[in-house]
Amino acid sequence: DARVTQTPRHKVTEMGQEVTMRCQPILGHNTVFWYRQTMMQGLELLAYFRNRAPLDDSGMPKDRFSAEMPDATLATLKIQPSEPRDSAVYFCASGLTLLRGPNHEQFFGPGTRLTVL
Amino acid sequence: SQKIEQNSEALNIQEGKTATLTCNYTNYSPAYLQWYRQDPGRGPVFLLLIRENEKEKRKERLKVTFDTTLKQSLFHITASQPADSATYLCALDRGEELTGGGNKLTFGTGTQLKVEL
Repeated sequence: DARVTQTPRHKVTEMGQEVTMRCQPILGHNTVFWYRQTMMQGLELLAYFRNRAPLDDSGMPKDRFSAEMPDATLATLKIQPSEPRDSAVYFCASGLTLLRGPNHEQFFGPGTRLTVL
Repeated sequence: SQKIEQNSEALNIQEGKTATLTCNYTNYSPAYLQWYRQDPGRGPVFLLLIRENEKEKRKERLKVTFDTTLKQSLFHITASQPADSATYLCALDRGEELTGGGNKLTFGTGTQLKVEL
């Protein structure tokens, strides 16, 4: 049963510390997304990749956030330095995007719940 | 600016009744609209996709309508069950795969549905 995995599931850290979240997309998917979910803002797209190339990271605070795909089986989201306002659940999702569609759904991981004190 | 609105208040209905959830959008021209279900502590799970040239899509007890003139989608669950209790998210996609983009989704804030015995 193919699924997106994320680590860690929970992370508590102090303000100023570096946080790295990891995601393993479903094998064969060519698009990977990072989202942040909070009660106030809902689910917001931070960045996404297609065939490992970054397509859009306009939703991400550039000064402290960075997203990479070192290889097809790993996506990372890093926050340095972390701030209390970064506390949220961070989801990774993967999908298969085909030219001329039909567009397919995104498969979400279980999320990383981040708390920055 | 683009805006996606879903019922902000929880929807409580009795088991066996039909639940109807609304998704309205402004300043947006989606090519596709998707509905997801999210349970507490979990990532969203895809339910249905409807294209801009489709009026209605069904899957088992689920039905989605898409009115691009009204800029609205309705999501129906017939013969609702307590197990249907969850938060339901609508997501809009411009269908940018033809221009090299991925299937980038913009999510609404979700509507919490509670089905009571």
